[in-house]
Amino acid sequence: QKEVEQNSGPLSVPEGAIASLNCTYSDRGSQSFFWYRQYSGKSPELIMSIYSNGDKEDGRFTAQLNKASQYVSLLIRDSQPSDSATYLCAGPEGRGSTLGRLYFGRGTQLTVWP
Amino acid sequence: GAVVSQHPSRVICKSGTSVKIECRSLDFQATTMFWYRQFPKQSLMLMATSNEGSKATYEQGVEKDKFLINHASLTLSTLTVTSAHPEDSSFYICSARPMGGGRYEQYFGPGTRLTVT
Repeated sequence: QKEVEQNSGPLSVPEGAIASLNCTYSDRGSQSFFWYRQYSGKSPELIMSIYSNGDKEDGRFTAQLNKASQYVSLLIRDSQPSDSATYLCAGPEGRGSTLGRLYFGRGTQLTVWP
Repeated sequence: GAVVSQHPSRVICKSGTSVKIECRSLDFQATTMFWYRQFPKQSLMLMATSNEGSKATYEQGVEKDKFLINHASLTLSTLTVTSAHPEDSSFYICSARPMGGGRYEQYFGPGTRLTVT
């Protein structure tokens, strides 16, 4: 059973548009989620952390967490070609484990065309 | 802040030799460090989790005798690929989880691209 699911993608948007990336999770006890950006051939880079229900904004990025629906999203406003990358959603494994691992979604490939 | 370094960035070795990869958290202490492998166009695959001073926990299907992990301090973990074979060629990435406060985020190193000939 996958803990974190990213089913959308690949996603292609024009420059200046809003890109919306989505993720669902299965563990109702999860308290925090993370969005990573991975450029081709590079390692993942943490771009957003969200720990509570609601929205968190950081520049052009907004992360949304809806615990009732077990849904996490990332909105990228004014998308730029430099935003073209694979975006990974991640959440911690269940409270029964002490290892502190993260479950990663398969990723959504975003292309922003000029 | 939260910088993780990894060395070497790229290594080519002959089949049957061993390769050591270092992972360091430069500006924070890490409760836990993780080792991932990623093949082209595929997802991250967690290989093992290591805590300073204790044995690593390997994921199912990962050979602990082949992938030796040493976590010598709160800022350094090493992965040694022993008796490497061409099928071990991959992108190896470490990550580190900062100490304290119930934090789960991981910061990734830049990765090591291993090619076994």
